[in-house]
Amino acid sequence: QKEVEQDPGPLSVPEGAIVSLNCTYSNSAFQYFMWYRQYSRKGPELLMYTYSSGNKEDGRFTAQVDKSSKYISLFIRDSQPSDSATYLCAMSEGSSYKLIFGSGTRLLVRP
Amino acid sequence: NAGVTQTPKFRILKIGQSMTLQCAQDMNHNYMYWYRQDPGMGLKLIYYSVGAGITDKGEVPNGYNVSRSTTEDFPLRLELAAPSQTSVYFCASSRQGKVEAGANVLTFGAGSRLTVL
Repeated sequence: QKEVEQDPGPLSVPEGAIVSLNCTYSNSAFQYFMWYRQYSRKGPELLMYTYSSGNKEDGRFTAQVDKSSKYISLFIRDSQPSDSATYLCAMSEGSSYKLIFGSGTRLLVRP
Repeated sequence: NAGVTQTPKFRILKIGQSMTLQCAQDMNHNYMYWYRQDPGMGLKLIYYSVGAGITDKGEVPNGYNVSRSTTEDFPLRLELAAPSQTSVYFCASSRQGKVEAGANVLTFGAGSRLTVL
């Protein structure tokens, strides 16, 4: 079993839709949770960062962490074609340099 | 600001050849990392460095070597290329190593796509 599981997609939605991207994990010691966005042929860039459980909102993006279920989500409201990318979740125990990445979900937002 | 610069962007190697992937950052970050990304797999850490002269193995170090003689540069060497090393390689850097209060935000380069035939 992988430490972090993420549906590879692709997920295709019409412009303006609400998108839900998810990851599950098995290591209960993970405390820091991140979402990276990766455009085609580019390196990942940090989108959202949360610590422990709860929600965090930044513009059209909301990150949720449910540690009891070992489940994290990224919601994108009013999705735009420019949101078309691969979204990678990443997590860490915090005391370590080591980030564990999910395999990424490819999102396509149709105009 | 250039950020993290990787060269070359693309390379085709024959089995058994050697090469070095170059990585340079201009943000004065102490920590630098090499990851590989394979289709359907997450990023896997190959090697990392906490500062000039200090390197350590990540999850998948076999077949690779690194050095860190300056803060800015962190080259990755493949000594005897194998088809299993066909991948996209990403170099990244961060201000600190521990993931606390966002201190370990990774800045990635654009990647080096390597094919071994």
